[in-house]
Amino acid sequence: GAGVSQSPRYKVAKRGQDVALRCDPISGHVSLFWYQQALGQGPEFLTYFQNEAQLDKSGLPSDRFFAERPEGSVSTLKIQRTQQEDSAVYLCASSRSSRDKNIQYFGAGTRLSVL
Amino acid sequence: ILNVEQSPQSLHVQEGDSTNFTCSFPSSNFYALHWYRWETAKSPEALFVMTLNGDEKKKGRISATLNTKEGYSYLYIKGSQPEDSATYLCALSGGKLIFGQGTELSVKP
Repeated sequence: GAGVSQSPRYKVAKRGQDVALRCDPISGHVSLFWYQQALGQGPEFLTYFQNEAQLDKSGLPSDRFFAERPEGSVSTLKIQRTQQEDSAVYLCASSRSSRDKNIQYFGAGTRLSVL
Repeated sequence: ILNVEQSPQSLHVQEGDSTNFTCSFPSSNFYALHWYRWETAKSPEALFVMTLNGDEKKKGRISATLNTKEGYSYLYIKGSQPEDSATYLCALSGGKLIFGQGTELSVKP
């Protein structure tokens, strides 16, 4: 079956531009996570959805970051007025549930470069 | 704040060498530990999920052990091959994953 799909794979934005990153999770997976990986660091949690409900957005670095999953499947991470410090790889992961033993399946990420 | 540490940060070995890396974490409030392999331009791939103290898991030439009382996990690769070159990430699970910074392995033919 298909894995987690993310688009675009690469995005170059000018500082101040708005961007939208898409995640298509594995069909039937209830839980969806977004992570941000800055150069030389491990991925860091941004936000979590259970179906369409955003249950945890404690990792979003500022109010310029917004995520949604309106129908409980595809999710979009939007960054408004991008800054250079937003340059990173954005990873999306899905799992059957939020139980700790459940494997999170990752997409290949979107590499965002803000110039 | 939970802190997950991995060492070394990078490792260069010759084909055929065996190697191991360490993941350290706070031993309190432990739920599960995940190991992932992340090759450049690909998706992070789940290797193991470990929950019980003393757990040992094996997948081909790769194995892992877990000590929740002292707060560490080891990942071993026996007879490294060039295709093992990747970044190896460990993560604590409490719903969301809390990752270490990774160990970048390079295996030279």
